Amino acid sequence: NAGVTQTPKFRVLKTGQSMTLLCAQDMNHEYMYWYRQDPGMGLRLIHYSVGEGTTAKGEVPDGYNVSRLKKQNFLLGLESAAPSQTSVYFCASRPQGQSTNEQFFGPGTRLTVL
Amino acid sequence: AQSVTQLGSHVSVSEGALVLLRCNYSSSVPPYLFWYVQYPNQGLQLLLKYTTGATLVKGINGFEAEFKKSETSFHLTKPSAHMSDAAEYFCAVSGNSGYSTLTFGKGTMLLVSP
Repeated sequence: NAGVTQTPKFRVLKTGQSMTLLCAQDMNHEYMYWYRQDPGMGLRLIHYSVGEGTTAKGEVPDGYNVSRLKKQNFLLGLESAAPSQTSVYFCASRPQGQSTNEQFFGPGTRLTVL
Repeated sequence: AQSVTQLGSHVSVSEGALVLLRCNYSSSVPPYLFWYVQYPNQGLQLLLKYTTGATLVKGINGFEAEFKKSETSFHLTKPSAHMSDAAEYFCAVSGNSGYSTLTFGKGTMLLVSP
């Protein structure tokens, strides 16, 4: 099993450009999450999904959209990138009904917005 | 509502010395508590977790943590630091329901000197 994978690993955008980050998991997990990590801020939840076709806002959702059309994929979109969105983005997943709420993380995507 | 406070953004120890990373939490429901480790340019890896039962939890790489409800703490310890322990450590809290999300602390960078 590959676990949680993220595409791309690195990306540089210009202000105003759009892009989509892809998260894929092969563990048949119901729940998926997108976080951003900034120095001194820890990880902050952007959006999450508790199942195919459902999404919900997290702590810092502004400027981002998400879609969960397939159970194994969770897409994070930036419609008009801003320098404040320069960050490392992590995807995570976990199974439904798990008694511990442990999440499994991908390797991250480093995004720079100029 | 839930929150996590990690005392000290950086902790320095000598190789062989005791490692103590502090974490205090706030939660309106019985918490699940986690410690994750992040090595440079990598994703997050679970070190250990507390859900219910025994309050002293042992994890990987010789780390352990003790849940103290009266002090709302979940400090991470290791008796003897190794150079390979140098990394960033994150404490996280969730509620005990299936839909609960993780809230992370801001992280503590552990520096280990020879």
